[in-house]
Amino acid sequence: EVQLVQSGTEMKKPGESLTISCKTSGYVFVNYWIAWVRQRPGKGLEWMGMVYPGDSDTRYNPSFQGQVTMSSDDSKTTAYLQWSTLKASDSGIYYCARGGVRYTDDNWFDPWGQGTLVIVSS
Amino acid sequence: EVVMTQSPATLSVSPGERATLSCRASQSVRTNLAWYQQKPDQPPRLLIHGASTRATGVPARFSGSGSGTDFALTISSLQSEDFAVYFCHQYDDWPRFTFGPGTRVDIK
Repeated sequence: EVQLVQSGTEMKKPGESLTISCKTSGYVFVNYWIAWVRQRPGKGLEWMGMVYPGDSDTRYNPSFQGQVTMSSDDSKTTAYLQWSTLKASDSGIYYCARGGVRYTDDNWFDPWGQGTLVIVSS
Repeated sequence: EVVMTQSPATLSVSPGERATLSCRASQSVRTNLAWYQQKPDQPPRLLIHGASTRATGVPARFSGSGSGTDFALTISSLQSEDFAVYFCHQYDDWPRFTFGPGTRVDIK
């Protein structure tokens, strides 16, 4: 069974740094894109970007470029989402999801992690 | 960027009735369109990919149709567990994927 398990709730202050994780299992980690999606309270879904663990290729939504860093550790089959300087507007739920195999059109997201709630407040 | 719109924003339906949700793309996305269901305090769940292919384990009452810019998700006979928010997602415009704003299906 393919599973993505995310790290727990984070409460941070503006200006602090943060890394959240997405531990995967049940498939060949290096063969599929991992996507990150933000959902603000009561709002819709925003695609942030994707990382390809096979060679750490990353693609960012221009709205998030420079604001976050996506990475992966093949030995741990884990993907990461990192902020160097948090803002209050970064508060929300962050989901990881498995995308498609590289060089295919099959980039629907399935399955999804359970989500990580990030609260940034002074 | 491909802008996705969904209508209606909220759909009130009685159990057992049919529901049809619409999704429109600002430019053609061919059939690279997925639908997700999200219940409160849960992550989205894939229902449909390729505009019309049901994901593994998804009941046959869910069906998707359309291509290009106009798509629909139909739930043939609503069950209590189907009351949720539904999002469409285009994955054609690489690498700038976008979601629709969602349609909430609630009990009439």
